[in-house]
Amino acid sequence: SAVISQKPSRDICQRGTSLTIQCQVDSQVTMMFWYRQQPGQSLTLIATANQGSEATYESGFVIDKFPISRPNLTFSTLTVSNMSPEDSSIYLCSVRGGLHEQYFGPGTRLTVT
Amino acid sequence: AQSVAQPEDQVNVAEGNPLTVKCTYSVSGNPYLFWYVQYPNRGLQFLLKYITGDNLVKGSYGFEAEFNKSQTSFHLKKPSALVSDSALYFCAVRPPNNFNKFYFGSGTKLNVKP
Repeated sequence: SAVISQKPSRDICQRGTSLTIQCQVDSQVTMMFWYRQQPGQSLTLIATANQGSEATYESGFVIDKFPISRPNLTFSTLTVSNMSPEDSSIYLCSVRGGLHEQYFGPGTRLTVT
Repeated sequence: AQSVAQPEDQVNVAEGNPLTVKCTYSVSGNPYLFWYVQYPNRGLQFLLKYITGDNLVKGSYGFEAEFNKSQTSFHLKKPSALVSDSALYFCAVRPPNNFNKFYFGSGTKLNVKP
C-alpha cells in the first residue's frame, strides 16, 4: 500500500483567507483524489487530479473555490479559497492502490472562524 | 443512482462479543464493495473488499464481511470484539464501470466496552 502524508495536519483559519493543503505519496501514481469529510458526515469526492492535466471536479465543486495543482506523480495540492465556516471539514487525499481499493492520507482538519 | 446506506449511527458491543456493522448498497451492475476504518485523528484505513468469488471475505484485524446479492448487503463482522476496535467504520461501493468513483456510507461509530 502507498504511504501518504499531508500538511498541515490541522489549521484554524479566518474567514476570507485561503489555505493550501499538500499531499505527498511515497510512490508514483497516475491519479490522486481529494475528498471532504464534513463534521459527522461521510466522505465526498471533490476532484480527481491527473498529472499534467486539469483536475476533474465533481458536481458542486468548482475550480475557483478549490484549485488543485499536480506538478508531478507524487505530489498534489488543494487550496480552499475565500474560506467560510461552512468549509470547516477534514480534507483527505487518496490514491488508487492496486486494481481496486483506494488508500487515504491522514487528513487535514480545517476550522474556519 | 449509486448509494450506500449504513442504517446505524452507532453500535455498542461488549468486549468478547461478536459484532456486526450493517451496510446496504444500490449500484448498477456488479458492485465492488469495501470497508474502511477511521481511528480518531487518523485517515481511513482499508479493511477488506469484495470484488468477486466467495461471498465471505476476510480482512485485516480479524474482520470479515459477507456479500449478499439478493439483499444488496455487505455487513462487516467480527467474532470477538476488542476495545481497540472502537472507531468509525465506513462502507463504500465502487461501480464496475468507474475505477475512480467511490460512494461512501455515512459511517457507523463502533463502541466496544470492556
